[in-house]
Amino acid sequence: GAGVSQSPRYKVTKRGQDVALRCDPISGHVSLYWYRQALGQGPEFLTYFNYEAQQDKSGLPNDRFSAERPEGSISTLTIQRTEQRDSAMYRCASSPSRNTIYFGEGSWLTVV
Amino acid sequence: RKEVEQDPGPFNVPEGATVAFNCTYSNSASQSFFWYRQDCRKEPKLLMSVYSSGNEDGRFTAQLNRASQYISLLIRDSKLSDSATYLCVASHSGNTPLVFGKGTRLSVIA
Repeated sequence: GAGVSQSPRYKVTKRGQDVALRCDPISGHVSLYWYRQALGQGPEFLTYFNYEAQQDKSGLPNDRFSAERPEGSISTLTIQRTEQRDSAMYRCASSPSRNTIYFGEGSWLTVV
Repeated sequence: RKEVEQDPGPFNVPEGATVAFNCTYSNSASQSFFWYRQDCRKEPKLLMSVYSSGNEDGRFTAQLNRASQYISLLIRDSKLSDSATYLCVASHSGNTPLVFGKGTRLSVIA
C-alpha cells in the first residue's frame, strides 16, 4: 500500500490476555519504529528496527512488551498479560532515511 | 525532566493572527529538529524540518537557538485549517529515534 498500515485499528481485550499488533511499513523503508501515544501526550518511543535487527528497545516499559521484524518488513508488537495501564494508541512508523518518519493510523488498545 | 518540553496550550487565536510556539530540549547532543502536526484523531505528519539558519515554508517559519536549546515555530496569517496540535521533535546524531514533545494545541477561531 501507499502508507504504513496497522492492524487491528481497534482492539479491546481483557486484562491478562496477550495481544499482538501488526505493522506493515511503506515498501522499501529500512527503519521501522513503534511508539505509544496516550491522550493529550506526544508519541513515546518504544523500539525500532533497521531491516530485521532491533536497534534499540530502551523504550519498552517492561518485559511484557516485545517486538519483532523477522524478515525486515512486517513487524509485530506483542504485549503479554495485558494490564489496564497498557491502554493507549500504539503507532508504527517507517522511514527511508534516518530522520523523516511516516506514521500509520495506529492501533487503539483498550484493556478492560 | 522531559527531553523535549512544550507549552501544551491551548492557544486560541483569531483568524489572521500571528502565533508563535517555543520548545526546549535538554540534550545538547541533539542534532536534528522538526515540527510535526497532528490533527484530532489522526497520526502525526511532518510539517517542516528546522535548520540552524532558520527556514521558512509559506506562512510557517522555524528557528533554532542552539545556545539556549530552544526551537520555535511562527505561523503568520493563521487559518482555521491551522487548528491542530504541533509537536516539537528532536533527534541525536547517528542512529537514534525521534523524541517528541507533548505537543501544543492551537485553535484558530473565526
